[in-house]
Amino acid sequence: GNSVTQMEGPVTLSEEAFLTINCTYTATGYPSLFWYVQYPGEGLQLLLKATKADDKGSNKGFEATYRKETTSFHLEKGSVQVSDSAVYFCALSSSGGSNYKLTFGKGTLLTVNP
Amino acid sequence: NAGVTQTPKFRILKIGQSMTLQCAQDMNHNYMYWYRQDPGMGLKLIYYSVGAGITDKGEVPNGYNVSRSTTEDFPLRLELAAPSQTSVYFCASRPGTVNEKLFFGSGTQLSVL
Repeated sequence: GNSVTQMEGPVTLSEEAFLTINCTYTATGYPSLFWYVQYPGEGLQLLLKATKADDKGSNKGFEATYRKETTSFHLEKGSVQVSDSAVYFCALSSSGGSNYKLTFGKGTLLTVNP
Repeated sequence: NAGVTQTPKFRILKIGQSMTLQCAQDMNHNYMYWYRQDPGMGLKLIYYSVGAGITDKGEVPNGYNVSRSTTEDFPLRLELAAPSQTSVYFCASRPGTVNEKLFFGSGTQLSVL
């Protein structure tokens, strides 16, 4: 079945540091890939997505590229801010239509210190 | 623009008690989902619905029931609460188009003691 593996957290960085959170996946077919973010006390929000190989998703300075050859979708940001402190989830979709479901990774807690 | 609304935000149950977690969305979305989030374990799908009157099991449905009598509401029922059901529960919805994002509620933190 489908699965998503994220790097273990927690990750602690200083403001303006470079961020990478690794994500690899196992899936049949051609899934779409997502990064969701969960701020303290809130539900998850979509951060970015990519729907086919070599697509790059980007939002709020975050980027991730869909690499089919390495089955990866690593999240990167060049300069993190304190406000980026949150839990980040990598996810993939199953087939479309009525069977559409998301499979989530375990999440990576990011803390950014001033 | 309320989005997805979950109630209550917090609840403590005794073993064997029953309760219903409420979820409502005002975006006219066809698809609705219930997830549970355990510490360090990501989100697991409990049940989902593709429209009023249609529900189906996810990965971890045991101990739960759902109904979908209207497009707006998707309540989750715990009949005999067990400590293993201590978790944070999230409801989510999406319109139904391919690869569209999920909209999440803010969650219900449930403790069974």
